Amino acid sequence: GENVEQHPSTLSVQEGDSAVIKCTYSDSASNYFPWYKQELGKGPQLIIDIRSNVGEKKDQRIAVTLNKTAKHFSLHITETQPEDSAVYFCAASINTGFQKLVFGTGTRLLVSP
Amino acid sequence: ETGVTQTPRHLVMGMTNKKSLKCEQHLGHNAMYWYKQSAKKPLELMFVYSLEERVENNSVPSRFSPECPNSSHLFLHLHTLQPEDSALYLCASSQDWGFRETQYFGPGTRLLVL
Repeated sequence: GENVEQHPSTLSVQEGDSAVIKCTYSDSASNYFPWYKQELGKGPQLIIDIRSNVGEKKDQRIAVTLNKTAKHFSLHITETQPEDSAVYFCAASINTGFQKLVFGTGTRLLVSP
Repeated sequence: ETGVTQTPRHLVMGMTNKKSLKCEQHLGHNAMYWYKQSAKKPLELMFVYSLEERVENNSVPSRFSPECPNSSHLFLHLHTLQPEDSALYLCASSQDWGFRETQYFGPGTRLLVL
C-alpha cells in the first residue's frame, strides 16, 4: 500500500555533529524522493530531492542517498547549526492512476549550541 | 517567503459554523493543492487543481468543499466540521501538476473546531 516510514521521530545533536534521518517506502515504482524542512510557524520547504536514476545527491552540508533495492533513502546533514533545528519530512512519489507524494511522519531535529 | 499566502492564519469555529480558508499564489503556477497536517501523522493530500480543474478528491468528506476560481486562488469552504478536523491546513502550488514538480507551501491555517 501507500506508506513511507520515517525514523527517528526526534533527534537531538550538538552543534557541529552530523544528523541522519532515514525513510523506507513501500511502492517499488516510486521514483522521486523529496525532502522538506518545516520551521515553526511556516509551511514545509523543499531542501533537496533525488530521482531513482541517481544513488546520491549533495548540496553543501546536505546530502541524500537512495537504495532502490532496499527501498531506503536517507538525509544527511553535516556540521549542523542551530538554524537547522526544524521538522524534516521525507516523501516518495506514487502513481496509482493519480500522481501524488506520500509523506513520512516527520523528524524533529534539535541542534544545541 | 515562498510566494504562497494563506488567510486567516488562525481560525476557531464551532461545529455549526461555515467558514472559508483562502490561498493565493504569486508564482504563476498552474497547479494548487490542499493538505491537512495533523500531529504525529503524515501530510494528507486533500484536493488537487490543475488549470482550475479539480484533478483529485482524495476521499475527503463533503463537509470540505474546495473552489478554484482562477489559477492564482484556491479556497476551502468548511461547514459542520467535527473536532477531529482540527489541524493545520496547508496550501501549496507547483508549476504544473505532477509528483516531480516542486511544491511550494504556504504557512498554513491553524484550525480549531470546538
